[in-house]
Amino acid sequence: DIQMTQSPSSLSASVGDRVTITCRASQSISNYLNWYQQKPGKAPKLLIYTASTLQIGVPSRFSGSGSGTDFTLTISSLQPEDFATYYCHQSYTTPWTFGQGTKVEIK
Amino acid sequence: EVQLVESGGGLVKPGGFLRLSCTASGFTFSDYSMNWVRQAPGKGLEWVSSISSGSNYIYYADSVQGRFTISRDNARNSLYLQMNSLRAEDTAVYYCARATRLSLDAFDIWGQGTMVTVSS
Repeated sequence: DIQMTQSPSSLSASVGDRVTITCRASQSISNYLNWYQQKPGKAPKLLIYTASTLQIGVPSRFSGSGSGTDFTLTISSLQPEDFATYYCHQSYTTPWTFGQGTKVEIK
Repeated sequence: EVQLVESGGGLVKPGGFLRLSCTASGFTFSDYSMNWVRQAPGKGLEWVSSISSGSNYIYYADSVQGRFTISRDNARNSLYLQMNSLRAEDTAVYYCARATRLSLDAFDIWGQGTMVTVSS
């Protein structure tokens, strides 16, 4: 199975900060990497697919990069509605696997 | 509106069974692969099972292989998860999620989830 490791597990940041979350795969997954945002009590929401493609309707302050084993999600200027937990997900091969999540909290 | 709505969750004793349903609307259900993903209380996301658009390809996580069965009825726009021999560790919110080849199988639409609690 492909293991997905996110870092950090949590972070505290202020509105307006630039935030970067990393995700590392245990083997190459090309660009089969997706990012989701989840708020408490809600279903996950797709933000970015194929490592860098913004899902329709997602604000442009979100961006993704990477290929192979190392990926990043960047929020260029953190907004109040961005405080949530973020998950990476590989769709390269089954079993599909998720990172453990990164909780973004208010500083 | 594109929508997935799960149902069928509840409280069940260890060793018991439940059947979850997911009803799709607003898109051509038969064009898409579908998935079940679960989330234990306070924990992360865990993929459970996938089924291709025509039910030709079915996959399971090792943790549920042999106990859970995924199926779909394209005429009814419905996805199912038959869960047998339930264990305490199966306690979770269960989400159905759509996958698209366009996005290389990212899960672009999710239901609101249905809670399954396995406890005596």
